Amino acid sequence: QVQLQESGPGLVKPSQTLSLTCNVSGDSFTSGTYYWSWIRQPAGKGLEWVGRFYSTRNTKYNPALESRATISVDTAKNQFSLRLTSVTAADTAVYYCARGTYPHDIFDIWGQGTLVTVSA
Amino acid sequence: DIQMTQSPSTLSASVGDRITITCRASQTISDWLAWYQQKPGKAPTLLIYKASTLQSGVPSRFSGSGSETEFTLTIKSLQPDDFAAYYCQQYKSYPLSFGGGTKVEIK
Repeated sequence: QVQLQESGPGLVKPSQTLSLTCNVSGDSFTSGTYYWSWIRQPAGKGLEWVGRFYSTRNTKYNPALESRATISVDTAKNQFSLRLTSVTAADTAVYYCARGTYPHDIFDIWGQGTLVTVSA
Repeated sequence: DIQMTQSPSTLSASVGDRITITCRASQTISDWLAWYQQKPGKAPTLLIYKASTLQSGVPSRFSGSGSETEFTLTIKSLQPDDFAAYYCQQYKSYPLSFGGGTKVEIK
């Protein structure tokens, strides 16, 4: 059974970099049969897709965040990560990692989510 | 970018009611649409994809319809477990986008 688990600091100071990791168990990135995404949700608001990777050189980002977001993968640890630079209070949200089916990015498995607060 | 608009934003209903949620796309997306259910404090779960295909394990009281720019999610007999938020998502093109959500609450 595939499971995703997010981890990372719950508090980040403004202008600093948010770093989160998603640990994937029960599946392998190298199979090439899924996309792996980050999605966020501010408190009481809707869902916003941040970006995803498919194989190590194929990433896509939400243009609204593209200049600040980087998704990377560690195949040895079966983890993928999100870095978001120059954060502001507007980046405060629950961050989810999710698996997307290939070739259509339908999110069939989600992590439980992790709250990141941007505050001094 | 494709904008997704859901209505209503909140819906009050009773157990046993039939309810319908609408999702509109700002441009045609064929049937590349999914629906998710989200309960408070939990991650969303996939209900329907390709506008009308039920995800494995989802009760048959849920159904989806529509194509191009207008879609609906129907719950034909609301159960206590169905009070939650519902989101549509288009996967026709990047950036992937979600509707603003519909909260189904107890009347």
